[in-house]
Amino acid sequence: DVKVTQSSRYLVKRTGEKVFLECVQDMDHENMFWYRQDPGLGLRLIYFSYDVKMKEKGDIPEGYSVSREKKERFSLILESASTNQTSMYLCASSFVSGRGTYEQYFGPGTRLTVT
Amino acid sequence: KNQVEQSPQSLIILEGKNCTLQCNYTVSPFSNLRWYKQDTGRGPVSLTIMTFSENTKSNGRYTATLDADTKQSSLHITASQLSDSASYICVVSGSSNTGKLIFGQGTTLQVKP
Repeated sequence: DVKVTQSSRYLVKRTGEKVFLECVQDMDHENMFWYRQDPGLGLRLIYFSYDVKMKEKGDIPEGYSVSREKKERFSLILESASTNQTSMYLCASSFVSGRGTYEQYFGPGTRLTVT
Repeated sequence: KNQVEQSPQSLIILEGKNCTLQCNYTVSPFSNLRWYKQDTGRGPVSLTIMTFSENTKSNGRYTATLDADTKQSSLHITASQLSDSASYICVVSGSSNTGKLIFGQGTTLQVKP
């Protein structure tokens, strides 16, 4: 079974703090993604990475950065947390299936509250 | 603009009944369409994935259909169970080698006893 794990299920941080969200996958997937999910807005892509040390901005990268030093690990960094970054954060990884489709597997999510 | 729209936004049905969720998309070029189930407080889990040439795909009591001409998809749930209570998300992938996906806002289904 593919497993995508996230370092915390729940996290509470103060405004201005630096926050690290860690994601690890155990299936040697090339692609990894960070999303945030908010009520009424669905999942929105923050950043993705298609190889070690490679990263690309998604739809809402402002206020975030990422790090991919090893293939299995993709970190999301909030340099200075703000209350509008309170959200559910989901990590995902994917490979290319035999049909050329990209099965994307999600972690359990981290619910971050910034006070 | 690439968009995925789902309806209804929420739905309540009685246990044992069937229901159908709708998804319309304007993504172009189109590669594939997926339906995910997301339980409260959990990450989404894939139910079905369909490419351009497939117009129906089943996974147990879940049956997804795809009409690539009208850019519409539906997810039909048969004989609903309490465990079907979840959010169902329609997701479309354009032609890309990075696997980037476009998500609908989801339909929240509540199955009542």
